Amino acid sequence: GENVEQHPSTLSVQEGDSAVIKCTYSDSASNYFPWYKQELGKRPQLIIDIRSNVGEKKDQRIAVTLNKTAKHFSLHITETQPEDSAVYFCAASRNRDDKIIFGKGTRLHILP
Amino acid sequence: EAQVTQNPRYLITVTGKKLTVTCSQNMNHEYMSWYRQDPGLGLRQIYYSMNVEVTDKGDVPEGYKVSRKEKRNFPLILESPSPNQTSLYFCASTLLGGSTDTQYFGPGTRLTVL
Repeated sequence: GENVEQHPSTLSVQEGDSAVIKCTYSDSASNYFPWYKQELGKRPQLIIDIRSNVGEKKDQRIAVTLNKTAKHFSLHITETQPEDSAVYFCAASRNRDDKIIFGKGTRLHILP
Repeated sequence: EAQVTQNPRYLITVTGKKLTVTCSQNMNHEYMSWYRQDPGLGLRQIYYSMNVEVTDKGDVPEGYKVSRKEKRNFPLILESPSPNQTSLYFCASTLLGGSTDTQYFGPGTRLTVL
């Protein structure tokens, strides 16, 4: 069945440095790729998303890149801050009203 | 205030005792979904619904039922709960056809099945 692999499972970066989280997906018909942030004890929240007709999208310190040929997409966080510490999930689906497959998550630690 | 609500927030029950977790949204969203979150496994979709009376299986539907009789409500039913259904459950909703695909999550329901 469809699968989304997410790496790494844990990531520690120095405050101010960049963090990169990578995901690969198996369903070539996937068309929509959201990223969610979940702080400890809180609900997941969408931080950025990208559709397959776009190769890159940026929102302030956060960017997502998509390589449809390789079935690979990544989250980039620049100038990391303590409030970026959280678990991040990638996901993939064919359409916004379709089944969604999530990666297993990456726990990001921002070190002082 | 636009929101997704779930009840109960915490529930401890015993094997085999039927239970329902309610989910309601006040944003007139067409798409609603249920997830379970387990350590090391991330979020896994149980069921989703594209609109009233339209539901479909997600990745892990076994042991669960849903219904969508009204647009705002999407209850999750466990007819005969088992200990492996102990988990944190999230309901979510999305506006289809809007300018954004943001999926709004409820606060979560922590279920323990003894």
